Amino acid sequence: GAGVSQTPSNKVTEKGKYVELRCDPISGHTALYWYRQSLGQGPEFLIYFQGTGAADDSGLPNDRFFAVRPEGSVSTLKIQRTERGDSAVYLCASSLSQNNEQFFGPGTRLTVL
Amino acid sequence: EDQVTQSPEALRLQEGESSSLNCSYTVSGLRGLFWYRQDPGKGPEFLFTLYSAGEEKEKERLKATLTKKESFLHITAPKPEDSATYLCAVQAAGQGAQKLVFGQGTRLTINP
Repeated sequence: GAGVSQTPSNKVTEKGKYVELRCDPISGHTALYWYRQSLGQGPEFLIYFQGTGAADDSGLPNDRFFAVRPEGSVSTLKIQRTERGDSAVYLCASSLSQNNEQFFGPGTRLTVL
Repeated sequence: EDQVTQSPEALRLQEGESSSLNCSYTVSGLRGLFWYRQDPGKGPEFLFTLYSAGEEKEKERLKATLTKKESFLHITAPKPEDSATYLCAVQAAGQGAQKLVFGQGTRLTINP
């Protein structure tokens, strides 16, 4: 069956620009997570959705980062006024419910020049 | 604060040479400990979930075990295709604790 998909796979932008990263979870999965992974490190939690609502956004680094999941399926991570330090791989994961295994997508590699 | 430390950072083995990877953790009540495999340029691939001390799970050449302070991923007679980064993560118990806290990973290379 189809896994988690993320688009684009790569995004290059200039400092100060706005970017949107998209995640399509596994069909039927109610929980959706965003993580960020820097080179040589493990993924770091950003935000968790249960259905349409953000149940935990404690990992968002600052107010330039925002995420939505308006219909409880697809999610978009939005980054305003990008900085070079935002460069990383942004991973999306979904799970059947909040207490099940999380399945990851291939990630979006964001490069801020 | 929940914390996960993996060792070694990198490990090179010859094909067929068995070894173990370590994951030490501190967490305010463990809901589950997870092992993932990550190939270069790809997202983490789920391997195992362990829930309580003494639990063991196996998949092909991999076996994961859990104690109250650490988990081991044992690799028996590895093959070159087992080369990858192995990630350990914990999920804390309690309301609103669904996030995974990851270690930095162990980069495993199996030479033919």
